[in-house]
Amino acid sequence: AQTVTQSQPEMSVQEAETVTLSCTYDTSESDYYLFWYKQPPSRQMILVIRQEAYKQQNATENRFSVNFQKAAKSFSLKISDSQLGDAAMYFCAYTVTGNQFYFGTGTSLTVIP
Amino acid sequence: GAVVSQHPSWVICKSGTSVKIECRSLDFQATTMFWYRQFPKQSLMLMATSNEGSKATYEQGVEKDKFLINHASLTLSTLTVTSAHPEDSSFYICSARPGAGNIQYFGAGTRLSVL
Repeated sequence: AQTVTQSQPEMSVQEAETVTLSCTYDTSESDYYLFWYKQPPSRQMILVIRQEAYKQQNATENRFSVNFQKAAKSFSLKISDSQLGDAAMYFCAYTVTGNQFYFGTGTSLTVIP
Repeated sequence: GAVVSQHPSWVICKSGTSVKIECRSLDFQATTMFWYRQFPKQSLMLMATSNEGSKATYEQGVEKDKFLINHASLTLSTLTVTSAHPEDSSFYICSARPGAGNIQYFGAGTRLSVL
């Protein structure tokens, strides 16, 4: 069964510093997609970044980048130059077809001014 | 980017009444929409998958007669919580998938409080 594990329930980072959120997953599939979604206090789920498993190059979106280790089934999110607006719950998600999404339990990120 | 609108954002109702929540994809067509439930400080739990023009597929343990889903057009899916009870109080989130893509775009959620 596919599972997504986020082992850090809470993380904190100083403003302007860098933080890495961890995510591991379990799958027997070779082609799949991984996502990081952000859920701020407004509860709106926002897509942060996505990675196709067939791509070796790590995805990057401005200050957000991932470290995708397919063999290790690891998909961590690095936030550089952290800003106050980055404070949110972050969910790692996995899907094969785009229908069934498997979400991790989330990491609550606090940004300290 | 793709926008999904969910309405209402917050609803309070009396026990025994029914509540309808709408989910609209504003700038794309969504053959598939999804309904999730989220308890405080927990992850999203998929309730059902809604396909335009056909019956929804419910996850195990979700009562299809209590949570009625209608996906009448390529841009609108509705979730009706029938005969709501306090234990149905929760945060409900919809998402939509453009075409055959593998990204889901989420609505802002609906907080349901049943008194």
